[in-house]
Amino acid sequence: KAGVTQTPRYLIKTRGQQVTLSCSPISGHRSVSWYQQTPGQGLQFLFEYFSETQRNKGNFPGRFSGRQFSNSRSEMNVSTLELGDSALYLCASSLAPSAGEAYEQYFGPGTRLTVT
Amino acid sequence: QKEVEQNSGPLSVPEGAIASLNCTYSDRGSQSFFWYRQYSGKSPELIMFIYSNGDKEDGRFTAQLNKASQYVSLLIRDSQPSDSATYLCAVNAGGSNYKLTFGKGTLLTVNP
Repeated sequence: KAGVTQTPRYLIKTRGQQVTLSCSPISGHRSVSWYQQTPGQGLQFLFEYFSETQRNKGNFPGRFSGRQFSNSRSEMNVSTLELGDSALYLCASSLAPSAGEAYEQYFGPGTRLTVT
Repeated sequence: QKEVEQNSGPLSVPEGAIASLNCTYSDRGSQSFFWYRQYSGKSPELIMFIYSNGDKEDGRFTAQLNKASQYVSLLIRDSQPSDSATYLCAVNAGGSNYKLTFGKGTLLTVNP
């Protein structure tokens, strides 16, 4: 079974631009989560989607947004890029059981975003 | 602020030894616990998860959970140089919370 895929793998953008990252979950997985990883802050949760609905959101500004499509693929968008947005953006997918049930998340290879 | 804390390391062990990685968490209601391994330049890889108090073994890896002490650990037996990586502890609060809260990770180096 194929793993989580993310595109593009690398991206260089200029301050003020916007960017869209894409994630395709493992087949059959309906939950997609996004994380930002930086050397200083580690892995930080951005948001989680299930059935095209955002169920949880982390403490990031409104410039960070996402969506999920009916086939469970997800995109995240960052508008008005800042230098501090340079990071590895990771997507993780899960089977997403009902609330209260434990579940495991599997990560994609990530998108390395550099803002200059 | 719900936190997950790990010793940043580096933790250095000789080949064949047992590596012990520790993690504490602040949210007493946390339900599930995960260990990820991350090689330099790669994404995190899930290696163990544990939901109940006690030990869970999978090959050379053993996860230990003590909810009363809010403590989870990972033991790696017969450590190999290929185990050299950063190990990330992650915690899920359960209920309607679907996010993982990660520690900053412990860098493990296994010396041949």
